[in-house]
Amino acid sequence: DTGVSQNPRHKITKRGQNVTFRCDPISEHNRLYWYRQTLGQGPEFLTYFQNEAQLEKSRLLSDRFSAERPKGSFSTLEIQRTEQGDSAMYLCASSPSGGLGDTQYFGPGTRLTVL
Amino acid sequence: LAKTTQPISMDSYEGQEVNITCSHNNIATNDYITWYQQFPSQGPRFIIQGYKTKVTNEVASLFIPADRKSSTLSLPRVSLSDTAVYYCLVGEDTMAGAGSYQLTFGKGTKLSVIP
Repeated sequence: DTGVSQNPRHKITKRGQNVTFRCDPISEHNRLYWYRQTLGQGPEFLTYFQNEAQLEKSRLLSDRFSAERPKGSFSTLEIQRTEQGDSAMYLCASSPSGGLGDTQYFGPGTRLTVL
Repeated sequence: LAKTTQPISMDSYEGQEVNITCSHNNIATNDYITWYQQFPSQGPRFIIQGYKTKVTNEVASLFIPADRKSSTLSLPRVSLSDTAVYYCLVGEDTMAGAGSYQLTFGKGTKLSVIP
């Protein structure tokens, strides 16, 4: 399978703990995006990378959230001091170039539950 | 920012053609129109993308009138497996010249296919 993969698929944690998710994009895709989706809503943009550079962060992304893509391949999203409101599906997507009309391909997501 | 409006839900019988119309009155000159399909607990899956007139692929057709203020996704002969949420998106070039392509999802249209 050469699609976008995400790990873990499910994560249950207690409030206040730190969690880290991993995304492996489609090989040779330059762009990598993170989205968050809560029940009954569409995905919300969080941040994106062009290769290893993080080019944009949503105002929705608090200081407790950090993302990296150290070698321009896989990416990690870390949430520090988790809160119950962080419970959501975290989606990763990748695209070849990021130009107009570029298509984003999504992974299966990581479902986070904060108790 | 371009926003989209689409019906919250639709029902259809198996074997029928389904048309889902999306309004995007403020679409920008460079915006493409993209449709995604999402099943529960999965990431969105790209269906089709277009800029103007008509686009057809193996799963759907996309009709875009000349003013581009709306678009219609057409699914021929739907089956039970087409039951999903369908999102209409227009691209947002949030950083002119940098090629940002942040996707903004609405709530989508929940299509229910009835046997």
